[in-house]
Amino acid sequence: DAGITQSPRHKVTETGTPVTLRCHQTENHRYMYWYRQDPGHGLRLIHYSYGVKDTDKGEVSDGYSVSRSKTEDFLLTLESATSSQTSVYFCAISARLYGYTFGSGTRLTVV
Amino acid sequence: QQQVKQSPQSLIVQKGGISIINCAYENTAFDYFPWYQQFPGKGPALLIAIRPDVSEKKEGRFTISFNKSAKQFSLHIMDSQPGDSATYFCAASTGANSKLTFGKGITLSVRP
Repeated sequence: DAGITQSPRHKVTETGTPVTLRCHQTENHRYMYWYRQDPGHGLRLIHYSYGVKDTDKGEVSDGYSVSRSKTEDFLLTLESATSSQTSVYFCAISARLYGYTFGSGTRLTVV
Repeated sequence: QQQVKQSPQSLIVQKGGISIINCAYENTAFDYFPWYQQFPGKGPALLIAIRPDVSEKKEGRFTISFNKSAKQFSLHIMDSQPGDSATYFCAASTGANSKLTFGKGITLSVRP
């Protein structure tokens, strides 16, 4: 989607290894979010950010950490990947009154 | 506790028919209700949204109906087309720039 890029698009990793997913935006939006999408669960919020170095936990934050050192970048880290973290991860950005714009997602497989 | 519940879980409609997806919410503080559409391999995209000061909003073939007293809102797709086949999510938040709570999504299939 225009203005928001997720990398990598696909990743296979081994259990116990750290993994970092990147979300990059060119819209200068203040708000950024990480969701995971799983069958039967829809979209669940992992972490979100209201500005540089201003982050907070969502409903499924255990096992994940985030960092936002610049407005344009929001990083999601799995400290020690587990099979339960196999999922599709979406980053979203928002500006007041316009709702969310989602990235194209990262498909992560933990083996 | 699931704050936003969608029904049905899946829906099959014939081309030209009306698709209706329902959503119920718990939190009376919610004041922004969007619907998102997602095609396979893509991120969800904002389709249409409503605030509780109006009971209905229409954009082309898509209409949101809102019932504040029942804490329900629904998406109607008129003249459904095969290209409408996708996953639809309802969501709610306490403001357009606050974190959204999503329903589990429903898969719509429009048969030719």
